[in-house]
Formats: sequence, structure tokens, C-alpha cells
Amino acid sequence: DIQMTQSPSSLSASVGDRVTITCRTSQSISNYLNWYQQKPGKAPKLLIFGASSLQSGVPSRFSGSGSGTDFTLTISSLQPEDFATYYCQQSFSTPYTFGQGTKLEIK
Amino acid sequence: QLQLQESGPGLVKPSETLSLTCTVSGGSISSSSYYWDWIRQPPGKGLEWIGSIYYRGSTYYNPSLKSRVTISVDTSKNQFSLKQSSVTAADTAVYYCARRFIAAAGFNWFDPWGQGTLVTVSS
Repeated sequence: DIQMTQSPSSLSASVGDRVTITCRTSQSISNYLNWYQQKPGKAPKLLIFGASSLQSGVPSRFSGSGSGTDFTLTISSLQPEDFATYYCQQSFSTPYTFGQGTKLEIK
Repeated sequence: QLQLQESGPGLVKPSETLSLTCTVSGGSISSSSYYWDWIRQPPGKGLEWIGSIYYRGSTYYNPSLKSRVTISVDTSKNQFSLKQSSVTAADTAVYYCARRFIAAAGFNWFDPWGQGTLVTVSS
């Protein structure tokens, strides 16, 4: 299985801050990497697919980058509705695996 | 707009079989571009992919669960189902169904997801 490691596990930030979350994979996955946002009691929501493509309807303050084994999700200017848990997921090979999550909290 | 809805018992006894159904509305399950997947999340923990089915019946399972899991599809009802046998407390989780879109070059992603259903394994 491809192991996914996100960092940090939790992060405190303020509205307006620029935030970066990192995801590292145990083997190269080219750019077969997706990002999801999950709010408490809700299902995950797709933000980014193919490492850097923004899903329709997702605000442009979200962006993704990376290839191979190292990936980042960046939120350029945090909004109140962005405080949530973020997961990366590899779609390179089965079993599809997720990172452990990064909980983004209000400072 | 495509929607998915999980249904099934919220409480299952240890050693019994968990059975869930996902009903797809607003679109057809019989599309060549999609697989239909199950994912679970134990309370307070991360996400685990369970398995996947194509409308013609081909399946993929997580090896960690493969011996206990069966995913099936009923195109006439626009539904797919999960059966997981010999459950233990470790199988307590929110179970999500999701559509997995297959794009060019094999890129794929889960969207949308159902709202999820909590299944508790307890006597």
C-alpha cells in the first residue's frame, strides 16, 4: 500500500492568513493526488484533483501543487468557512489511501 | 444534480454481517465514466477505502478487508450495496458511498459523496 503522510496534523491560523499543508507519499505517484475538505458531521468535499486542478465551484484561494512524492495544498487567504479538516488521497493504485488529516483551527 | 444516500441498520451485533445500500438519484449508475465506491471513517479517525464496483459488476477491494467484503450493484434500482461479514467493534464507523470519476490517463477522484451513515457494532 502507498503510505500517505500529512503535515502538520493540526494548525492554528487566523482569518486572512496564507496556509500550506503538505502531503508526502511513500512512493512516486506522478500527480495522482486529490485533496478533500471535511467539516464536522459532514462528508468530505473534493477540492483539488490531479494535484493541481481546482474542482468546479471551489474558490480560487485554494490551490494545489506537486508531483512525485511531495504535494502541497495552499489556501491563500483564510476565510471563516475554511476551518475544517483536510485530507490528501492518492489515486495512483489500489488500495486508494488517504493521509491522516490536517485539522485547521482558528487562532 | 447527482445525489447518493446510504441506508441500512445503524446497529449490528459482533460476528454478524453489516449490510448497507447506496441509492443514486439524479443520474444513472450505468455510466462508463464512473465507479461506485464505499469508504469508511471510524469516529474521530481518518478515511479508509473499502472497495469499488463498476456498473457491469467488476469489483476492486481493499486487501485489508477483502476476505469479509462483497460489493454488488443493481442497475434496475440504481443502487449498489456493501456486505461486510464477521464484524467486530473495530468496524464501527461512518460508512460513505461515493462516485469515483474516471478521467483521461486514469486520473480519478471521489465526487460526490453520500452524507454517511454511522454503523455501530455492539451487542
